[in-house]
Amino acid sequence: EPEVTQTPSHQVTQMGQEVILRCVPISNHLYFYWYRQILGQKVEFLVSFYNNEISEKSEIFDDQFSVERPDGSNFTLKIRSTKLEDSAMYFCASNGNGQGGEQYFGPGTRLTVT
Amino acid sequence: KQEVTQIPAALSVPEGENLVLNCSFTDSAIYNLQWFRQDPGKGLTSLLLIQSSQREQTSGRLNASLDKSSGRSTLYIAASQPGDSATYLCAVNDYKLSFGAGTTVTVRA
Repeated sequence: EPEVTQTPSHQVTQMGQEVILRCVPISNHLYFYWYRQILGQKVEFLVSFYNNEISEKSEIFDDQFSVERPDGSNFTLKIRSTKLEDSAMYFCASNGNGQGGEQYFGPGTRLTVT
Repeated sequence: KQEVTQIPAALSVPEGENLVLNCSFTDSAIYNLQWFRQDPGKGLTSLLLIQSSQREQTSGRLNASLDKSSGRSTLYIAASQPGDSATYLCAVNDYKLSFGAGTTVTVRA
């Protein structure tokens, strides 16, 4: 069964460093998303992406964040200058059935900023 | 802004008892609603998806209902087992998913 994959599973970085989190969505899906979950808190929407551009972004998704689909298979989330409060689990999701379609989640990347 | 609330926050039951988990949302203009399971420190496992036009969806021991007009969904888990111990998340889809904080379930053997 096709699935969303994410790498790495765990990333440790120092404050101020840039990180890139990688996702491979399900191959025929066209809608992509990033969510994050700070430990003990709700899962929060960050950004949605379709047709090589951002469809919607939350207040969390400020200028420090960017997303890219560099090729036909990867979808990346970049944080330019990490802060302690960026420590969280980051989930990628994809959807193959239009804007309101079911979203399939990857296993997540745990980001720890020290 | 969509707000999703789950009640109760935690639930402890003896094995074999049926579980009832509640989810409410403030904006009824949704495409669908998903229930997820999350084990500690792990990812999200999708359990059930109910389209906005549906009233009910079933998968094995799980049954979810949706009353879109009143902004409510209920997840029923029949004959609970210790392996059902986890946090259950409700998420409503209005192009993006808005999640509740979850109900943490403990099933005692």
